[in-house]
Amino acid sequence: DGGITQSPKYLFRKEGQNVTLSCEQNLNHDAMYWYRQDPGQGLRLIYYSQIVNDFQKGDIAEGYSVSREKKESFPLTVTSAQKNPTAFYLCASSRQREAEGTDTQYFGPGTRLTVL
Amino acid sequence: GQSLEQPSEVTAVEGAIVQINCTYQTSGFYGLSWYQQHDGGAPTFLSYNALDGLEETGRFSSFLSRSDSYGYLLLQELQMKDSASYFCAVRDQRNSGGYQKVTFGTGTKLQVIP
Repeated sequence: DGGITQSPKYLFRKEGQNVTLSCEQNLNHDAMYWYRQDPGQGLRLIYYSQIVNDFQKGDIAEGYSVSREKKESFPLTVTSAQKNPTAFYLCASSRQREAEGTDTQYFGPGTRLTVL
Repeated sequence: GQSLEQPSEVTAVEGAIVQINCTYQTSGFYGLSWYQQHDGGAPTFLSYNALDGLEETGRFSSFLSRSDSYGYLLLQELQMKDSASYFCAVRDQRNSGGYQKVTFGTGTKLQVIP
């Protein structure tokens, strides 16, 4: 089955530790995205990548880093510089590279990160 | 910058019709999408409008007016399972490479009551 997976579902870390969240897709999508969602809030874009070995900062990139070495994988590292990392993190992918047309984003199940 | 406005909460009765509005300000607008998210779950795609007018998909319809920078999601024959958050999202052109990203609204929490 094609889809997008994130692991783990729940993650606990001590303050000051870096942590890497996994995101893998087998949909052959070019674009991948990381969002952060806080309780009762919308989705805020952290980073996005349109092609391998290229990525762009989103609206709240400070304290986060990403890599895109493979088309299928887009891991997100939450560094100790992120002041308030406890949140629900969602990864998504989409097919789009063209300017027009539908660009459905397919989301993974999310990782709920709690920093103690 | 980009901004989208939606009502934060809406309550409607089972079997009724509800409309969730979205107004946006963005540059290089390419389309308006709607996503549904149940509590604790991931957002799932509902509909997309690139052109003015109404798009219908079963009980859900979505409308766009580009001249008014406005759209809405219409849910008919409401069911209890429709209780969820609904997000509008716009595609816009962001950088010199033409790469686009999607900006989401803050979401509307719909509660369907018996």
